[in-house]
Amino acid sequence: EPEVTQTPSHQVTQMGQEVILRCVPISNHLYFYWYRQILGQKVEFLVSFYNNEISEKSEIFDDQFSVERPDGSNFTLKIRSTKLEDSAMYFCASKVWVSQETQYFGPGTRLLVL
Amino acid sequence: GNSVTQMEGPVTLSEEAFLTINCTYTATGYPSLFWYVQYPGEGLQLLLKATKADDKGSNKGFEATYRKETTSFHLEKGSVQVSDSAVYFCARPWGTSYGKLTFGQGTILTVHP
Repeated sequence: EPEVTQTPSHQVTQMGQEVILRCVPISNHLYFYWYRQILGQKVEFLVSFYNNEISEKSEIFDDQFSVERPDGSNFTLKIRSTKLEDSAMYFCASKVWVSQETQYFGPGTRLLVL
Repeated sequence: GNSVTQMEGPVTLSEEAFLTINCTYTATGYPSLFWYVQYPGEGLQLLLKATKADDKGSNKGFEATYRKETTSFHLEKGSVQVSDSAVYFCARPWGTSYGKLTFGQGTILTVHP
């Protein structure tokens, strides 16, 4: 069964450094998402992406964040200058089309900013 | 607003006990409703869903019925196993047609042998 994959599974970085989290959505899916989960808290929406552009973003998704689909398979989240409070689990998700509400999640990348 | 509320606090049960995790939603209209499960060290997996009122979603012995009268989607299982120990999230889509999900707080379930 196709699944969403994410790399790396864990990343440790120094405050102020740039990180890129990578995701490979399910191949025939058209809508892509990033969520994050700070330890012990609920899962929060960051951004949605469709047709090579951001379709929606939350107030968390400030200028330090960017997303890109550099080729036909990868979907990346870049944090330009990490802060301590960016430490979280980051989940990528995808779905097939607009009327299909089920999103499929990857296993997550645990980011630790020191 | 459009939100999802789950019961507070972890749940600890003995194997074969009955499980209920409450979830209520506020919304205009009748959104689809989901339960996701997160096993230790893993990502979110869709457990079950219901797309309209009175629908019952089921999977792996878990069930949840979409009740519009009480705006609820409680998760139930008749006989839990140790392997069911995980965090359970109720969720619904909201906002634009792009369908971002909003999640409940999550409920930690621990099942002892």
